[in-house]
Amino acid sequence: AQSVTQPDIHITVSEGASLELRCNYSYGATPYLFWYVQSPGQGLQLLLKYFSGDTLVQGIKGFEAEFKRSQSSFNLRKPSVHWSDAAEYFCAVGANQAGTALIFGKGTTLSVSS
Amino acid sequence: DAGITQSPRHKVTETGTPVTLRCHQTENHRYMYWYRQDPGHGLRLIHYSYGVKDTDKGEVSDGYSVSRSKTEDFLLTLESATSSQTSVYFCAISEVAGAQYFGPGTRLLVL
Repeated sequence: AQSVTQPDIHITVSEGASLELRCNYSYGATPYLFWYVQSPGQGLQLLLKYFSGDTLVQGIKGFEAEFKRSQSSFNLRKPSVHWSDAAEYFCAVGANQAGTALIFGKGTTLSVSS
Repeated sequence: DAGITQSPRHKVTETGTPVTLRCHQTENHRYMYWYRQDPGHGLRLIHYSYGVKDTDKGEVSDGYSVSRSKTEDFLLTLESATSSQTSVYFCAISEVAGAQYFGPGTRLLVL
């Protein structure tokens, strides 16, 4: 079955510290992988995407993610967290075919402490 | 940001009442989607459209219908709203395989 697992429901990180959010997926075909961020009361904003090629992808707001096929993982990282990064983060997987649903993880809520 | 608007942004309705949510895009993207977001479930696909008058069901389509008479508009209808349909509804668009871009959402409360 196709699925996305985000093992951490809630993470608290000190401002200025590094961040890693975990994402594992189960998908039959070669996946397209995404990270989205959602601030309270807002829609989802695309942070970054992986289709093929270099397994380390750069996104907006200083985020990056690394695709590891052997581990079926696509973890999101940021070297130094800012208070404005507090939000909910969703990992998603999709097919190499337009018109198919993205399968989302249940999200990780990031809190940033001062 | 992708040009996607949703209306209304908030709605309170009563059980048994029909409700229609609208998604409007200015990007001329071919594909449009309706998702619902519920605590502990992430986002789940309700219906999607791959062109004018071309739609298909998603994972949680029961109790919902959709229509797309123009490229820019995708309507989601709850024929007879139930409390289990209280949720936040997101519209998304895409042009090709890959990333979908989301609207701001509609918060629906069914009493």
